[in-house]
Amino acid sequence: DTAVSQTPKYLVTQMGNDKSIKCEQNLGHDTMYWYKQDSKKFLKIMFSYNNKELIINETVPNRFSPKSPDKAHLNLHINSLELGDSAVYFCASSVRDMDLKKLFFGSGTQLSVL
Amino acid sequence: EDQVTQSPEALRLQEGESSSLNCSYTVSGLRGLFWYRQDPGKGPEFLFTLYSAGEEKEKERLKATLTKKESFLHITAPKPEDSATYLCAVQALSSGGSYIPTFGRGTSLIVHP
Repeated sequence: DTAVSQTPKYLVTQMGNDKSIKCEQNLGHDTMYWYKQDSKKFLKIMFSYNNKELIINETVPNRFSPKSPDKAHLNLHINSLELGDSAVYFCASSVRDMDLKKLFFGSGTQLSVL
Repeated sequence: EDQVTQSPEALRLQEGESSSLNCSYTVSGLRGLFWYRQDPGKGPEFLFTLYSAGEEKEKERLKATLTKKESFLHITAPKPEDSATYLCAVQALSSGGSYIPTFGRGTSLIVHP
């Protein structure tokens, strides 16, 4: 069973569109995250949710809106997509907030904005 | 601002040719330094945590060491299956009072048979 699963794996869309990425974890973790890995391979945290509550929002444009219906799910909705949003987006989870020892990542969603 | 620099960006080795990857950092109040392995098309996978200068951790052909300014990931007699990107991350108390991690760009390792 996949611990952290996210869909879709690939997402190709036009500028200005709205898209969503879904994430689910079956590890029973309390904290979930969205990370962005840009073309230069830098991995940066975007959001952190602990028990469905937003903990960290790292100066991400408000076109990005995370939603956590329950502690096993954290979805990312992006409005009015821009070229610069092209990147790989990783969902992750951990037992406790910012516990990098036990941080489990999904396989990523490669977003290409044309 | 916290900085994490990994070198080299890319490394090609022959099978059995030992080498080291470097992660240098400039943070105050280091909480931990973490090494991850990332395979193509996959998310990073945790390898090691180091907390204080002088600490070492080992796993199979990998050994991670830490000084006050940098960490090394030593690869002894690598095999083709060690080919991956190795990411370093540091965690320190930020001015905002949180422990947001800072990742390096990674070293892409290719081991030829």
